[in-house]
Amino acid sequence: EIVLTQSPGTLSLSPGERATLSCRASQSVSSSYLAWYQQKPGQAPRLVIYGASTRATGIPDRFSGSGSGSGTDFTLTINRLEPEDFAVYYCQQCGSSPWTFGQGTKVEIK
Amino acid sequence: EVQLVESGGGLVQPGGSLGLSCAASGFTFSSYAMSWVRQAPGKGLEWVSSITGSGAITYYADSVKGRFTSSRDNSKNRLYLQMNSLRAEDTAVYYCARFPTSIHTFDIWGQGTMVTVSS
Repeated sequence: EIVLTQSPGTLSLSPGERATLSCRASQSVSSSYLAWYQQKPGQAPRLVIYGASTRATGIPDRFSGSGSGSGTDFTLTINRLEPEDFAVYYCQQCGSSPWTFGQGTKVEIK
Repeated sequence: EVQLVESGGGLVQPGGSLGLSCAASGFTFSSYAMSWVRQAPGKGLEWVSSITGSGAITYYADSVKGRFTSSRDNSKNRLYLQMNSLRAEDTAVYYCARFPTSIHTFDIWGQGTMVTVSS
């Protein structure tokens, strides 16, 4: 099973700042199979990034995703944080069964 | 509008059974694989099961294999999850999600239905 470890657990930032979220895989994951989701309290997750770097429909361009050549390190960057961006973010892989999620990074208002 | 709506959650005793349903609308249901993902209270997300567009092939997490069964009725645009031998650790919000194999991810999620396993 591929374990996804997200860091930090919590990120305390002010609106307008940049958020950098990390997702490290215990084994190599093809970038095609790495996604990021946003979840707000009481709501279902929402797809933000798929294929490691492609924004989902309706996601603003202040969100960007990237991956290292090793296939084990992935990053979600949120530029110029807006109030609606404060939420929990999960990375997820479906390159190897069982499909797994990271434990989440909470982006909170400082 | 593309939409998924789950139903069927509730309180069930340990060892009991419960069936969940997910009604899909706004897209060609039979063209998409579908999945169930759950979230225990205050915890992260856990993939539970997936089923191909035809319903011919199903996949399960080890934690539910042999106890849960996914199925679908493409004529009714519905996805189902039959849960047997329920345990306290199955307590969670259960989401159905669309899984386009073209992008290998869960692109549309329902609002979830709560399942509580307790005596």
